[in-house]
Parts: sequence; C-alpha cells; structure tokens
Amino acid sequence: RKEVEQDPGPFNVPEGATVAFNCTYSNSASQSFFWYRQDCRKEPKLLMSVYSSGNEDGRFTAQLNRASQYISLLIRDSKLSDSATYLCVVNAQAGTALIFGKGTTLSVSS
Amino acid sequence: GAVVSQHPSRVICKSGTSVKIECRSLDFQATTMFWYRQFPKQSLMLMATSNEGSKATYEQGVEKDKFLINHASLTLSTLTVTSAHPEDSSFYICSARGDTGTGYEQYFGPGTRLTVT
Repeated sequence: RKEVEQDPGPFNVPEGATVAFNCTYSNSASQSFFWYRQDCRKEPKLLMSVYSSGNEDGRFTAQLNRASQYISLLIRDSKLSDSATYLCVVNAQAGTALIFGKGTTLSVSS
Repeated sequence: GAVVSQHPSRVICKSGTSVKIECRSLDFQATTMFWYRQFPKQSLMLMATSNEGSKATYEQGVEKDKFLINHASLTLSTLTVTSAHPEDSSFYICSARGDTGTGYEQYFGPGTRLTVT
C-alpha cells in the first residue's frame, strides 16, 4: 500500500464550481499534514496546512480525520487560476522528509 | 517565506557524463536538505536526506555511488548525477529545512530539469 494515496483525476470543472479532493495515508503515527499545489513543470508550493479541527483559508477548506487517516481539500467558487495539481503531503515526524501523494489534477474552464 | 535556489534550472547532457546540481538556502541556514526526484505524472520521490557535515542517508533503491550528495555548509548542498543515462532524465527538486526565524519549515527550490540524451 502506498504511503499517501490520492485520486489522480483529472477533475474538469467549470468556473464557480465546488470541487473536493480526498487523500488517505498509511502511517497512523504521522504528525503533520499539508496540501501543496504544483503547476506544470514547477516546484510544489505550500497551499495550506491541515489541522484536526479543520481549517479554512478563503475559498479553501481542509479537513483531517485521524481515525480514518483521511484528508480532504474543498475548493469553492473555482477560478481558472486554480487549475493545477494538488498534492496531499504527510510528515511522519518533524525534521524528516515530506511524503507526497501522486497528486490530483484540476482543470477549471470558462 | 525563506528562499531556496537551485542551479542550473535546466540541463541537457550526453549519456555517460556527470552533472552537478546545486541547492542553496539564501536567507537561512539549512541544517537538513532533502533531494527529491519527480518523473512525469508521478509524485515527488525522496532520494536522500542530508544533514550538514555528515553523510547523506539514501532511500531504498537509490544508488549512493551514482547520486553523490555533499552538504558541506549550512547553505549549500550538491547532488551529482554520475555517468548519467537517459533513464536519469527527471525533475530534481531540493528542499531545505532550518530555522527561518519563524520556525522550522521546509522550503523547496525551483527544481532542475535534467535531460540525458
């Protein structure tokens, strides 16, 4: 079983749509969780950290369920500029490397 | 946020030659640097972890004699791909971790796209 699994998509949605991405991780001892965004041929950039209580940043909402080892990202009112690959990332322990999922591709069209 | 640079951003080399990639933390001291590799439509895969002044720790399946990592200072780590072959063509990304003044976080370099012909 892969350490971090995501539905690769692609998700093709119109502008204004709401889209949700899911992710599961295998290491129950994982401590930190993130969503990164990666544009084509670029390095990944941190979108937001994910906390057990759930957190929101503008149109983006992230949720973590430790019992189910499940992470989600909700994007509301999609913009064309949201088109990218969204990477679910887990850190087992502070100071160790980040573990990346394969990514979910989102394409927002007008 | 903190800045990590990589050089070169893109390199094309012939099979059998060696290529050196530099990763620098520009405004903080990186106690740990990580090297990742990403093939098309694949996730970033950790290759090795290097701590300043000590030998790198390689992930299973990564040949340490082929991918030489040096982390001689707190701001510079290098990855040398020795005797490169076409199957080594990939996107190589480093990330650096250290005290940036706002906490210990990891910051990614912009990546190096290697093409071996």
